[in-house]
Amino acid sequence: NAGVTQTPKFRVLKTGQSMTLLCAQDMNHEYMYWYRQDPGMGLRLIHYSVGEGTTAKGEVPDGYNVSRLKKQNFLLGLESAAPSQTSVYFCASSYTGQGLDGSYNEQFFGPGTRLTVL
Amino acid sequence: LAKTTQPISMDSYEGQEVNITCSHNNIATNDYITWYQQFPSQGPRFIIQGYKTKVTNEVASLFIPADRKSSTLSLPRVSLSDTAVYYCLVGGLNTGFQKLVFGTGTRLLVSP
Repeated sequence: NAGVTQTPKFRVLKTGQSMTLLCAQDMNHEYMYWYRQDPGMGLRLIHYSVGEGTTAKGEVPDGYNVSRLKKQNFLLGLESAAPSQTSVYFCASSYTGQGLDGSYNEQFFGPGTRLTVL
Repeated sequence: LAKTTQPISMDSYEGQEVNITCSHNNIATNDYITWYQQFPSQGPRFIIQGYKTKVTNEVASLFIPADRKSSTLSLPRVSLSDTAVYYCLVGGLNTGFQKLVFGTGTRLLVSP
């Protein structure tokens, strides 16, 4: 199994350009996530999806759109890139099991996409 | 929103046991506590998860007191390859995954 893969690994954009980051997972996970990580910072959740055809906003959704047309794929779009979107983007997927006292969740992360917006 | 507080950095030597404590005073009843490890230029990797008492796997132990307001990740006999950033997360399905916050983590440096 490849796990979680991300395309592309690196990208340089000019301000105002658009692009789509692709995330794919082969673990049949229901949940998928997009995070961004800025230098020296933790990860911040951009958008997430709890199933095919459904998406929801995370902590920092502005400037991004997402789509989950197929269960195995989660796309992150930047319609008009800005320098503030320079970051490393991580995709993750997870199953969610039901424990005796609630729920649990283990996220599997991709290798990341390093995006620079000039 | 269950906020977590953990030390910014820790130093250790090879072969020592390392304990990283995370504070989460407003943890919800159905929240789980999860720890991730991240190496430079890589995505985080799940280490361990627990709800209460003690959980142990092949790489770490997680100690959770009865009030669940804190937790301690224990790494036995660390090696140089354990140098990484460690994140403590609190949350779960019932409290919303959008509220899972990685924070800045604890930067562990293991020296020879």
